[in-house]
Amino acid sequence: AQSVAQPEDQVNVAEGNPLTVKCTYSVSGNPYLFWYVQYPNRGLQFLLKYITGDNLVKGSYGFEAEFNKSQTSFHLKKPSALVSDSALYFCAVRTTYTGGFKTIFGAGTRLFVKA
Amino acid sequence: DTGVSQNPRHKITKRGQNVTFRCDPISEHNRLYWYRQTLGQGPEFLTYFQNEAQLEKSRLLSDRFSAERPKGSFSTLEIQRTEQGDSAMYLCASSLEDTYEQYFGPGTRLTVT
Repeated sequence: AQSVAQPEDQVNVAEGNPLTVKCTYSVSGNPYLFWYVQYPNRGLQFLLKYITGDNLVKGSYGFEAEFNKSQTSFHLKKPSALVSDSALYFCAVRTTYTGGFKTIFGAGTRLFVKA
Repeated sequence: DTGVSQNPRHKITKRGQNVTFRCDPISEHNRLYWYRQTLGQGPEFLTYFQNEAQLEKSRLLSDRFSAERPKGSFSTLEIQRTEQGDSAMYLCASSLEDTYEQYFGPGTRLTVT
């Protein structure tokens, strides 16, 4: 079965420290991977994507993610966390099949950055 | 570019009533998606359109749910004979065909009493 897992419900980090939000996936074929962020009372916002090419992709607000094919992971990272990064983060994978595609989202990880 | 808009933002209805939600995508986006999100979960795919054609519908979507995108612009999602289990946030997103990231609206929160 195709799936996305975010093993941590919540990640706590101090402001200024590096942060990592984990994501692993299980799909057939080559995955297209995404990170989205959801701030309170706002819609999901696209952060970054991996389609092909360099395994390290950079996105909005200083975030980056590393695609690791052997570990089937796509962890979100930021070198120095800000309090304003506190939000709900979703990993997603686009899967393709005969005649179509769909996007599967993980359950989300709440990031809390403490001042 | 005014982003994806959804109306209404909140809807409270009694069990058994029909409800309809509207989504206006980003104007040049030809793909439109509907998702459902419940507390503590990620968005769950319901259906998507390319222009006016509905190309995929989740097996999770019962016959009480129907979506349309008659002119390839805005879309409506109708739920007939609502049940308490339909209470959720309904999200709409749009994208261009040749890019893969989706742009989400603020959602419509449905509460079925």
